[in-house]
Amino acid sequence: DAKTTQPPSMDCAEGRAANLPCNHSTISGNEYVYWYRQIHSQGPQYIIHGLKNNETNEMASLIITEDRKSSTLILPHATLRDTAVYYCIVRVGGGNAGNMLTFGGGTRLMVKP
Amino acid sequence: GAVVSQHPSWVICKSGTSVKIECRSLDFQATTMFWYRQFPKQSLMLMATSNEGSKATYEQGVEKDKFLINHASLTLSTLTVTSAHPEDSSFYICSARDNRNEAFFGQGTRLTVV
Repeated sequence: DAKTTQPPSMDCAEGRAANLPCNHSTISGNEYVYWYRQIHSQGPQYIIHGLKNNETNEMASLIITEDRKSSTLILPHATLRDTAVYYCIVRVGGGNAGNMLTFGGGTRLMVKP
Repeated sequence: GAVVSQHPSWVICKSGTSVKIECRSLDFQATTMFWYRQFPKQSLMLMATSNEGSKATYEQGVEKDKFLINHASLTLSTLTVTSAHPEDSSFYICSARDNRNEAFFGQGTRLTVV
C-alpha cells in the first residue's frame, strides 16, 4: 500500500471547520483513500473513503485532488468530541487483496473551546 | 456501520499468566480478522491476520507461540497472550472485515501485566 504523510498535530477552534491534509504521492490507480480517527483509548472509527471523486457523509467531507496525490478531510463544524488522532490510509478497495490497514503516525487534532 | 465487540475492555494480570481477548463481529460474518497492538503515543501495529478455519499469519517479529490466535467461527477470533510479561502491556485492538471488504474495529483491550 502507498505511504501517506500527515502533519503530526493541528489545532482547531470549536465550531470552525477543521481541514486535515494528507499527501499520498505514490498512490496507485486502484488504491482508495480512507480516513479513520481514534479517540483516546478507543479503537479506530471509520470516517469516509473515496477513489477520485469528492465524497461527503454525515461526519465529514473528503476532497481528493485531480492528480490524486493528496487529499483533505474536512470536519465542517468541529466540536470538542472531534479531538482525536486522524489517520489517512491508502489501500486497495474491494476484492480480496489482503486489505489489512497500515497505520502511519496520523494527525493529532485538538479542538479548543 | 457494522459492530465489532472486544472483551474484556481492560485486564490486569500477573507475570507468567495467560490472558485471552475475544473479538466478535456482532451483525456480520468475518472470514478475516486482524489483530493490532498499540503502545502509548504510538500508532497501531499489525500483529497478525486471522483467517476463519486456518492458521493465522503473523507479522515479522511477532512470536506466534506467545500470541496464540484462534478463529474457529465466522464471528469470533481470540488472541491469547501466553506467559505474559510487563513488556506485553499494551492496547490490543481487533478489526474484522465484512463482505464488502470494509474494516471495522473493536473498542480495544488494555492489558496491564504486573
